[in-house]
Amino acid sequence: DTGVSQNPRHKITKRGQNVTFRCDPISEHNRLYWYRQTLGQGPEFLTYFQNEAQLEKSRLLSDRFSAERPKGSFSTLEIQRTEQGDSAMYLCASSLGGNRVGGNYNEQFFGPGTRLTVL
Amino acid sequence: AQSVAQPEDQVNVAEGNPLTVKCTYSVSGNPYLFWYVQYPNRGLQFLLKYITGDNLVKGSYGFEAEFNKSQTSFHLKKPSALVSDSALYFCAVRGNSGYSTLTFGKGTMLLVSP
Repeated sequence: DTGVSQNPRHKITKRGQNVTFRCDPISEHNRLYWYRQTLGQGPEFLTYFQNEAQLEKSRLLSDRFSAERPKGSFSTLEIQRTEQGDSAMYLCASSLGGNRVGGNYNEQFFGPGTRLTVL
Repeated sequence: AQSVAQPEDQVNVAEGNPLTVKCTYSVSGNPYLFWYVQYPNRGLQFLLKYITGDNLVKGSYGFEAEFNKSQTSFHLKKPSALVSDSALYFCAVRGNSGYSTLTFGKGTMLLVSP
């Protein structure tokens, strides 16, 4: 399967614990995105990488959240001191960079997500 | 700031009938518009996009969408619905400058009855 993969698929943790999620993008994609989706809502943008550089972070990304993409391939999203409000589906997506018209530019391909439950 | 509105939480249609899922948007400059579909316990799947050119865009599984600049709309359509089309549909927009941030609507559940 050459799509976007995410691990783990499910994570249950106690409030106050730290959790880390991993995303492996489509291999030739230079852009990687993290989103959060809660029940009844569309995905909300968290952060975005082009290669290894983190180019944008949403105001939703509090100081407890950190994301890395050290070699420009896979990415990790860590949440420290989890809170019950962090319970959500965390989605990763990847795309080819550039604004060229046509081809496969611009659309993002999503992974299956990691469902986090904070007790 | 860019935004997307999907005014219907749910759309019900009988199999074989045409369907429309509505989407309106707000963005600075020219929009890039997308439709995604989400099946239970699965990630979002790309359906189609509008970047430039013809206002009628054709995508996967027989879906199409019509871009209307004056009405700032990008409604998703299909001439003949299938029960298997039942899923959650998301419209998304990004501007044509700067970064690639997508803004999604809250989604519309499509239910196709046999």
